[in-house]
Amino acid sequence: VQLVESGGGLVKPGGSLRLSCAASGFTFSDHYMSWIRQAPGKGLEWLSYISASGRTIYYADSVKGRFTISRDNAKSLLYLQMNSLRADDTAVYYCARDRLTVPHWYSDLWGRGTLVTVSS
Amino acid sequence: DIQLTQSPSFLSASVGDRVTITCRASQGISSYLVWYQQKPGKAPKLLIYAASTLQSGVPSRFSGSGSGTEFILTISSLQPEDFATYYCQQVNSYPRTFGPGTKVDIK
Repeated sequence: VQLVESGGGLVKPGGSLRLSCAASGFTFSDHYMSWIRQAPGKGLEWLSYISASGRTIYYADSVKGRFTISRDNAKSLLYLQMNSLRADDTAVYYCARDRLTVPHWYSDLWGRGTLVTVSS
Repeated sequence: DIQLTQSPSFLSASVGDRVTITCRASQGISSYLVWYQQKPGKAPKLLIYAASTLQSGVPSRFSGSGSGTEFILTISSLQPEDFATYYCQQVNSYPRTFGPGTKVDIK
């Protein structure tokens, strides 16, 4: 049971990047998913949520309109399309599996993260 | 948006100490509060959800309490592997916000 992020790297300000999160060992299509990031030396910042079907999506204000979360349940993949990147988007990006034990939510499985660096 | 504060930001403690970390929400969130532990260079690990429910596999020295706007994470007897940063997160509403973290260091 694991999540593995990929797609991070160095990108110039204003550029784009697509992160992927590959799920294995569990039925991906049954689970809600989230993206969370952590700037160097800083705390955790929740970014986005997607329901199991993909029909319900939420974003943090800091990324709304620039980032797009999506999923491919057939391939057990979660994505984060990041556009108009800024220096303050530099961070380790984690995907996480969300669980709902009615009525309580929590993220019980996290990937190891992928580093995105936005710099000229 | 719901804001979370944590106190203290940093604490220095010894093995065997009882440690308490407080998380306060800017508005009532019932028991929709989660605690995570993060060690340097690692992903966060789920400790407690629903304010007081211990995640499977987490040692019983960890406990959570509170509801509404004030929550407490307690480590009853600090172990060497517990030196880490602890974050609370509210899951009452979107955007789901994290507290700024409490770093527990070795005295």
